[in-house]
Amino acid sequence: GEDVEQSLFLSVREGDSSVINCTYTDSSSTYLYWYKQEPGAGLQLLTYIFSNMDMKQDQRLTVLLNKKDKHLSLRIADTQTGDSAIYFCAVESGGSYIPTFGRGTSLIVHP
Amino acid sequence: GAGVSQTPSNKVTEKGKYVELRCDPISGHTALYWYRQSLGQGPEFLIYFQGTGAADDSGLPNDRFFAVRPEGSVSTLKIQRTERGDSAVYLCASSSGQGGYNEQFFGPGTRLTVL
Repeated sequence: GEDVEQSLFLSVREGDSSVINCTYTDSSSTYLYWYKQEPGAGLQLLTYIFSNMDMKQDQRLTVLLNKKDKHLSLRIADTQTGDSAIYFCAVESGGSYIPTFGRGTSLIVHP
Repeated sequence: GAGVSQTPSNKVTEKGKYVELRCDPISGHTALYWYRQSLGQGPEFLIYFQGTGAADDSGLPNDRFFAVRPEGSVSTLKIQRTERGDSAVYLCASSSGQGGYNEQFFGPGTRLTVL
């Protein structure tokens, strides 16, 4: 089955850019998602990218997809303290409607 | 509008007991998912409903776990003879089940503690 890997922690200074990385194994992956989880709250979809795209930009968020290396990244520009949360990469394969989630990257933003 | 709700928010039980966890999806969403999230892990898929039927239950760990969605709306996850290893946050999500990408809307979860 699909395996999704993420680094566990990232610490940045307020105002800097954050880059969260994700690798996956299934080359037939179709949709790739980034979810955000704040303490005590459910996961919330931030953005997604379809496998025929290399890049997607949405305000402060930029998603890059390298299909050859099976690598996905999420860049947050001008990171704010409110961006502190756990970010999950999720990958869906071949119309399965069932995404596989990574372990999550805990983003800590300090002043 | 209302999002996905789950009850109870916390459940403490003793080993060997039976528990039921409830999920109220967003009205009109045909797809409903159950996940289990252990500390420091991502959500782990358990079961997926499309309407009233379980379209995929391959994530259920064993036959102590069962889920129903009799009217295609509310779903109940049932765990028999609970074990300490069942302790986790159980997440429910729903989606419209239409279109290309599959945005899932998650509830806040039920934290299950088995003593």
